[in-house]
Amino acid sequence: DGGITQSPKYLFRKEGQNVTLSCEQNLNHDAMYWYRQDPGQGLRLIYYSQIVNDFQKGDIAEGYSVSREKKESFPLTVTSAQKNPTAFYLCASSSLASGIPNEKLFFGSGTQLSVL
Amino acid sequence: GQQVMQIPQYQHVQEGEDFTTYCNSSTTLSNIQWYKQRPGGHPVFLIQLVKSGEVKKQKRLTFQFGEAKKNSSLHITATQTTDVGTYFCAGGAGGTSYGKLTFGQGTILTVHP
Repeated sequence: DGGITQSPKYLFRKEGQNVTLSCEQNLNHDAMYWYRQDPGQGLRLIYYSQIVNDFQKGDIAEGYSVSREKKESFPLTVTSAQKNPTAFYLCASSSLASGIPNEKLFFGSGTQLSVL
Repeated sequence: GQQVMQIPQYQHVQEGEDFTTYCNSSTTLSNIQWYKQRPGGHPVFLIQLVKSGEVKKQKRLTFQFGEAKKNSSLHITATQTTDVGTYFCAGGAGGTSYGKLTFGQGTILTVHP
């Protein structure tokens, strides 16, 4: 089945620890995104990438890092600099093939990150 | 930066009643999208509106895009328990913001049988 796979489903972070969230897609989409979801605040964009080896900061990039070494993969690292990391993290992808700005997003099932 | 406000934050309805959620952008949008997130799930794309004044229907759901392309609404007629979830609007600015969407806070819909 085509889709986006996020792992793990639940993740716990200790004080001062970096953790990495995995996101893999087999939709052959060019663009990939990371969103953070907090109750009552909707989805906020952390980072996005439109092509391999290139990515841009979103609205809340501080304390996070990403890489895009392969088209299929866009891992997110939550660093110790992120002081309030507890949230639901959603990875998404979209096609840019049509040339239409803002193609629809396909989301993974998310990772719930909590601080111990 | 671009802001998208969505109201109401919560809506409780009896099954069979109608429901509407509204979305307002601080800037003119190139397009607006609507997503539904079931409890415990992830957002799923419902529709995209691109043209000024556009109206689209999907069965009991009616989506509108304002003439100024700064506001939008989603109306559900005769709600059912399967409509439960959070509805998000997401605005696209186009241009240099290619690929980026700004999400509203979402409206959490509860349907009482």
